[in-house]
Amino acid sequence: QSVLTQPPSVSEAPRQRVTISCSGSSSNIGKHAVDWYQQVPGKAPLLLIYYDYLVPSGVSSRFSGSKSGTSASLAISGLQSEDEAEYFCAAWDDSVNALVFGSGTQVTVL
Amino acid sequence: QVQLRESGPGLVKPSETLSLTCNVSGGSISTYYWTWIRQSPGKGLEWIGYFSNVGRTKYDPSLKSRVTISVDTATNQFSLRLHSVIAADAAVYYCARGQVIAGTPQHYYVDVWGKGTTVTVSS
Repeated sequence: QSVLTQPPSVSEAPRQRVTISCSGSSSNIGKHAVDWYQQVPGKAPLLLIYYDYLVPSGVSSRFSGSKSGTSASLAISGLQSEDEAEYFCAAWDDSVNALVFGSGTQVTVL
Repeated sequence: QVQLRESGPGLVKPSETLSLTCNVSGGSISTYYWTWIRQSPGKGLEWIGYFSNVGRTKYDPSLKSRVTISVDTATNQFSLRLHSVIAADAAVYYCARGQVIAGTPQHYYVDVWGKGTTVTVSS
Protein backbone atom coordinates (compact mmCIF):
# COMPACT_ATOMS: atom_id res chain seq x y z
CA GLN A 1 0.00 0.00 0.00
CA SER A 2 1.56 3.26 -1.18
CA VAL A 3 1.99 6.27 1.09
CA LEU A 4 0.84 8.56 -1.74
CA THR A 5 -2.63 7.84 -3.15
CA GLN A 6 -3.42 8.12 -6.84
CA PRO A 7 -6.52 7.05 -8.80
CA PRO A 8 -5.84 3.73 -10.59
CA SER A 9 -6.91 5.05 -13.96
CA VAL A 10 -8.19 8.06 -15.87
CA SER A 11 -9.32 8.34 -19.46
CA GLU A 12 -10.13 11.16 -21.82
CA ALA A 13 -10.54 11.84 -25.51
CA PRO A 14 -7.71 13.14 -27.72
CA ARG A 15 -6.99 16.89 -27.53
CA GLN A 16 -8.73 17.14 -24.16
CA ARG A 17 -7.20 17.86 -20.75
CA VAL A 18 -6.77 15.30 -18.01
CA THR A 19 -5.62 15.74 -14.42
CA ILE A 20 -4.14 13.15 -12.07
CA SER A 21 -4.27 13.64 -8.33
CA CYS A 22 -1.74 12.56 -5.71
CA SER A 23 -2.89 12.69 -2.11
CA GLY A 24 -0.47 12.58 0.79
CA SER A 25 -0.06 13.93 4.30
CA SER A 26 1.74 16.56 6.37
CA SER A 27 4.87 14.40 6.52
CA ASN A 28 5.33 14.22 2.76
CA ILE A 29 3.46 16.45 0.28
CA GLY A 30 2.54 18.90 3.02
CA LYS A 31 6.21 19.56 3.70
CA HIS A 32 8.14 18.54 0.59
CA ALA A 33 7.99 19.17 -3.13
CA VAL A 34 6.48 16.63 -5.52
CA ASP A 35 7.87 15.06 -8.68
CA TRP A 36 6.01 13.28 -11.46
CA TYR A 37 7.13 10.45 -13.73
CA GLN A 38 5.76 8.84 -16.88
CA GLN A 39 6.35 5.14 -17.50
CA VAL A 40 5.60 3.30 -20.71
CA PRO A 41 5.37 -0.53 -20.37
CA GLY A 42 8.79 -2.15 -20.42
CA LYS A 43 10.63 1.16 -20.05
CA ALA A 44 12.15 3.10 -17.20
CA PRO A 45 10.25 6.04 -15.69
CA LEU A 46 10.83 9.46 -17.25
CA LEU A 47 10.90 12.64 -15.18
CA LEU A 48 8.05 14.95 -16.25
CA ILE A 49 7.78 17.49 -13.42
CA TYR A 50 10.05 18.25 -10.47
CA TYR A 51 9.79 20.62 -7.49
CA ASP A 52 5.98 20.69 -7.85
CA TYR A 53 5.83 22.56 -11.15
CA LEU A 54 9.21 22.73 -12.92
CA VAL A 55 9.43 21.08 -16.35
CA PRO A 56 12.78 19.48 -17.31
CA SER A 57 14.37 20.44 -20.58
CA GLY A 58 13.02 18.31 -23.41
CA VAL A 59 9.67 17.56 -21.76
CA SER A 60 6.57 18.87 -23.52
CA SER A 61 4.94 22.01 -22.11
CA ARG A 62 1.63 20.13 -22.30
CA PHE A 63 2.59 18.69 -18.90
CA SER A 64 2.14 20.88 -15.83
CA GLY A 65 2.18 20.35 -12.09
CA SER A 66 0.62 22.04 -9.08
CA LYS A 67 0.29 21.51 -5.34
CA SER A 68 -2.05 22.65 -2.60
CA GLY A 69 -1.71 21.54 1.01
CA THR A 70 -1.22 17.79 1.12
CA SER A 71 -2.28 17.10 -2.47
CA ALA A 72 -0.61 17.55 -5.83
CA SER A 73 -1.84 17.30 -9.41
CA LEU A 74 -0.42 16.58 -12.82
CA ALA A 75 -2.27 18.00 -15.83
CA ILE A 76 -1.85 16.88 -19.40
CA SER A 77 -3.34 19.21 -21.98
CA GLY A 78 -3.96 18.46 -25.64
CA LEU A 79 -4.01 14.74 -24.90
CA GLN A 80 -2.29 12.58 -27.52
CA SER A 81 -2.17 8.83 -28.07
CA GLU A 82 1.52 8.84 -27.12
CA ASP A 83 0.50 10.02 -23.62
CA GLU A 84 -0.95 6.59 -22.87
CA ALA A 85 1.24 5.44 -20.00
CA GLU A 86 1.37 5.08 -16.24
CA TYR A 87 2.10 8.18 -14.18
CA PHE A 88 3.65 8.22 -10.70
CA CYS A 89 4.05 10.97 -8.13
CA ALA A 90 6.93 10.99 -5.63
CA ALA A 91 7.87 12.98 -2.54
CA TRP A 92 10.17 12.74 0.45
CA ASP A 93 8.44 11.50 3.60
CA ASP A 94 9.75 12.60 6.99
CA SER A 95 7.91 9.92 8.94
CA VAL A 96 9.61 7.04 7.11
CA ASN A 97 12.69 9.13 6.20
CA ALA A 98 12.62 7.90 2.61
CA LEU A 99 11.51 8.85 -0.89
CA VAL A 100 7.99 7.48 -1.43
CA PHE A 101 6.05 6.92 -4.63
CA GLY A 102 2.39 6.91 -5.50
CA SER A 103 0.68 3.72 -6.64
CA GLY A 104 0.47 4.97 -10.22
CA THR A 105 -2.32 6.10 -12.55
CA GLN A 106 -2.92 4.56 -15.94
CA VAL A 107 -3.91 7.14 -18.54
CA THR A 108 -5.99 5.92 -21.47
CA VAL A 109 -6.65 8.05 -24.53
CA LEU A 110 -10.10 7.15 -25.81
CA GLN B 1 24.04 13.37 -21.97
CA VAL B 2 24.56 11.04 -19.05
CA GLN B 3 23.50 7.42 -19.51
CA LEU B 4 23.20 4.71 -16.90
CA ARG B 5 23.32 0.95 -17.40
CA GLU B 6 22.76 -1.76 -14.82
CA SER B 7 24.55 -5.09 -14.88
CA GLY B 8 24.59 -8.16 -12.69
CA PRO B 9 23.12 -11.63 -12.21
CA GLY B 10 19.49 -12.00 -13.13
CA LEU B 11 19.02 -14.91 -10.75
CA VAL B 12 19.87 -14.97 -7.04
CA LYS B 13 19.27 -17.79 -4.57
CA PRO B 14 17.34 -17.11 -1.37
CA SER B 15 19.59 -16.05 1.55
CA GLU B 16 22.41 -15.06 -0.81
CA THR B 17 23.62 -11.56 -1.75
CA LEU B 18 22.30 -9.62 -4.71
CA SER B 19 25.05 -7.54 -6.34
CA LEU B 20 24.38 -5.04 -9.11
CA THR B 21 26.59 -2.46 -10.76
CA CYS B 22 25.63 0.69 -12.62
CA ASN B 23 27.96 2.12 -15.26
CA VAL B 24 27.76 5.89 -15.65
CA SER B 25 28.73 7.30 -19.04
CA GLY B 26 28.65 10.83 -20.37
CA GLY B 27 29.23 12.48 -17.01
CA SER B 28 31.26 12.45 -13.81
CA ILE B 29 30.26 10.27 -10.91
CA SER B 30 31.89 12.67 -8.47
CA THR B 31 28.75 14.74 -8.13
CA TYR B 32 25.06 13.95 -7.75
CA TYR B 33 23.26 11.42 -5.56
CA TRP B 34 23.61 7.93 -7.00
CA THR B 35 20.41 6.07 -6.36
CA TRP B 36 18.86 2.62 -6.56
CA ILE B 37 15.11 2.05 -6.99
CA ARG B 38 13.24 -1.17 -7.59
CA GLN B 39 9.83 -2.01 -9.00
CA SER B 40 7.72 -5.09 -8.52
CA PRO B 41 4.11 -5.82 -9.42
CA GLY B 42 3.18 -6.23 -5.80
CA LYS B 43 4.93 -3.21 -4.30
CA GLY B 44 5.18 -0.70 -7.12
CA LEU B 45 8.15 1.67 -7.15
CA GLU B 46 10.32 1.34 -4.04
CA TRP B 47 13.26 3.63 -3.25
CA ILE B 48 16.25 1.72 -1.92
CA GLY B 49 18.70 4.50 -1.16
CA TYR B 50 21.50 6.75 -2.37
CA PHE B 51 25.20 7.57 -2.07
CA SER B 52 25.61 11.32 -2.00
CA ASN B 53 28.20 13.62 -3.55
CA VAL B 54 29.92 13.99 -0.17
CA GLY B 55 30.02 10.26 0.51
CA ARG B 56 26.97 10.03 2.74
CA THR B 57 24.58 7.13 2.34
CA LYS B 58 20.87 7.05 3.08
CA TYR B 59 18.75 3.92 2.88
CA ASP B 60 15.09 3.02 3.15
CA PRO B 61 14.61 2.01 6.80
CA SER B 62 12.93 -1.26 5.83
CA LEU B 63 16.05 -2.33 3.89
CA LYS B 64 18.76 -0.52 5.83
CA SER B 65 20.05 -3.58 7.68
CA ARG B 66 20.64 -5.46 4.42
CA VAL B 67 21.74 -2.77 1.93
CA THR B 68 25.05 -1.21 0.91
CA ILE B 69 25.46 1.35 -1.87
CA SER B 70 28.98 2.32 -2.88
CA VAL B 71 30.67 4.43 -5.56
CA ASP B 72 33.89 3.72 -7.45
CA THR B 73 35.16 6.97 -8.96
CA ALA B 74 38.02 5.19 -10.73
CA THR B 75 35.62 3.20 -12.90
CA ASN B 76 32.70 5.66 -12.90
CA GLN B 77 30.44 2.99 -11.49
CA PHE B 78 28.28 2.58 -8.44
CA SER B 79 26.98 -0.60 -6.87
CA LEU B 80 24.18 -2.13 -4.85
CA ARG B 81 24.56 -5.05 -2.48
CA LEU B 82 21.48 -6.54 -0.85
CA HIS B 83 22.18 -9.31 1.62
CA SER B 84 20.02 -12.27 2.66
CA VAL B 85 17.60 -11.93 -0.23
CA ILE B 86 14.08 -13.31 -0.03
CA ALA B 87 11.38 -13.88 -2.62
CA ALA B 88 9.98 -10.40 -2.01
CA ASP B 89 13.25 -8.90 -3.28
CA ALA B 90 12.47 -10.06 -6.82
CA ALA B 91 11.96 -6.93 -8.93
CA VAL B 92 13.24 -4.78 -11.73
CA TYR B 93 16.16 -2.83 -10.27
CA TYR B 94 16.92 0.63 -11.61
CA CYS B 95 20.02 2.68 -11.03
CA ALA B 96 19.40 6.40 -11.23
CA ARG B 97 20.89 9.84 -10.78
CA GLY B 98 19.59 12.05 -8.02
CA GLN B 99 19.90 15.79 -7.68
CA VAL B 100 19.29 18.16 -4.81
CA ILE B 101 17.79 21.65 -4.91
CA ALA B 102 19.05 23.64 -1.94
CA GLY B 103 16.46 25.08 0.37
CA THR B 104 14.55 24.53 3.59
CA PRO B 105 13.86 21.74 3.24
CA GLN B 106 16.18 20.76 0.43
CA HIS B 107 14.57 18.84 -2.43
CA TYR B 108 16.06 15.56 -3.58
CA TYR B 109 14.72 14.14 -6.83
CA VAL B 110 15.65 11.52 -9.42
CA ASP B 111 16.13 12.85 -12.93
CA VAL B 112 17.88 10.13 -14.97
CA TRP B 113 17.15 6.40 -14.86
CA GLY B 114 18.89 3.35 -16.27
CA LYS B 115 16.89 0.89 -18.36
CA GLY B 116 16.51 -1.50 -15.43
CA THR B 117 17.52 -5.10 -14.86
CA THR B 118 15.26 -7.94 -13.77
CA VAL B 119 16.26 -9.91 -10.70
CA THR B 120 14.60 -13.23 -9.89
CA VAL B 121 14.99 -14.89 -6.50
CA SER B 122 14.83 -18.67 -6.72
CA SER B 123 16.74 -21.75 -5.67
